Order: sequence, then C-alpha cells, then structure tokens
Amino acid sequence: QKEVEQNSGPLSVPEGAIASLNCTYSDRGSQSFFWYRQYSGKSPELIMSIYSNGDKEDGRFTAQLNKASQYVSLLIRDSQPSDSATYLCAVLMDTGRRALTFGSGTRLQVQP
Amino acid sequence: DAGVTQSPTHLIKTRGQHVTLRCSPISGHKSVSWYQQVLGQGPQFIFQYYEKEERGRGNFPDRFSARQFPNYSSELNVNALLLGDSALYLCASSFSNEQFFGPGTRLTVL
Repeated sequence: QKEVEQNSGPLSVPEGAIASLNCTYSDRGSQSFFWYRQYSGKSPELIMSIYSNGDKEDGRFTAQLNKASQYVSLLIRDSQPSDSATYLCAVLMDTGRRALTFGSGTRLQVQP
Repeated sequence: DAGVTQSPTHLIKTRGQHVTLRCSPISGHKSVSWYQQVLGQGPQFIFQYYEKEERGRGNFPDRFSARQFPNYSSELNVNALLLGDSALYLCASSFSNEQFFGPGTRLTVL
C-alpha cells in the first residue's frame, strides 16, 4: 500500500465546473496536509495547506480534511483552462522527520 | 522577496561522473529540503537540513550527500552517476511546516 494515494487521472472537467481531487494517506498520526499544483515542466507550487478536520477555503480552492477516514480533498470551483495541471497531495507524516510524502499526482484537464 | 533559487537549471552528465547542485532558500528560512522527481511520480525526499544540521534522510544510497552553509544555502552532491539518477532535483525551503519549491535542476545522465 502506498503511503499517499491519488488517482492519476486524467480528470477532465468543462470550464466553469467544479473539479474534485482526492487523496488518501496511510499514517494515522499525520497532522499536516498540502496541495501543490505542478504545470508541465515546472516545479510544484503550494496552493493550500490544511491541519484541522473540516474545510478551508481560499478563493476558488477548498481543501477538505477527514482524519478519521484518512482522506484529503481539493475542490476547485469555476474551473478555468489555466487550472489544467497535475495536482500533488503531500502529507507531513508523524515520523519526526520533517519530510513531505507525496502522492503521484492527479492530472486535471479543464476543457474550454 | 525572492523565492527559492537553484542552479544550474539544466545539466547533462555521463555515467560515473559526479554532480553538485545548489540552492538558496527564501530569506529568513533556515530549513532546506532536497527532493528527486522522476517523470510521472511525485517528489521523493532525499535530505533535510536545518541550521546546518542534517534533520532527515530519505531512502537514497550513500552516493547522495548534502550540506548546508552558514548562510542557509545548500548543496546536493551525487557521485558515480547512474542512468537512473536522471530526474528533476527540487530544493524546498521552509520556515515552519509549509515548504516552497525552487524551479529545480533537470539532470540528464547519458
């Protein structure tokens, strides 16, 4: 079992729709969760961090965390073609080592 | 404020050679982490340094080493390069939990 799992996609949504990206993690003691966006050929860009159960909103982005289910999600409202990228879920696991563990990413395609 | 900077941008080496990659963190950030990203995968943790001390090491062979300098910049060294070392090498700086990535160094080993 991978430590952080994501559906590789591609997830295709029409422009203006809500894109829903999901991630599960294995370490129940994990406390910090992050979403990064990575355009092709570029480095990951931090877009959201979440530490507590529930929702956290920032503009068109909403991160959702459910520690009991070991599940993190990212919602993108009013999706734009410029949102087309790979979205990486990252978890700071409870190992004492301050290293991020990443999923393989979900490729999102927003169709104009 | 300037973000994380890395050099060089691209590098081509042959098997058996060694390489040094450099990273300067965001001003005020004392922690630097190195990650390797191969195509189609998420970044894999290599090292983390904080205040010039190694704080963590990932599952990479001893051919990989790193250090952090008094100004918090960092170097990643890889010896005896293998074809499988071809990847995007990412440096991330952090002040607390959030890590911010530089543009990366694309290493190609022929």
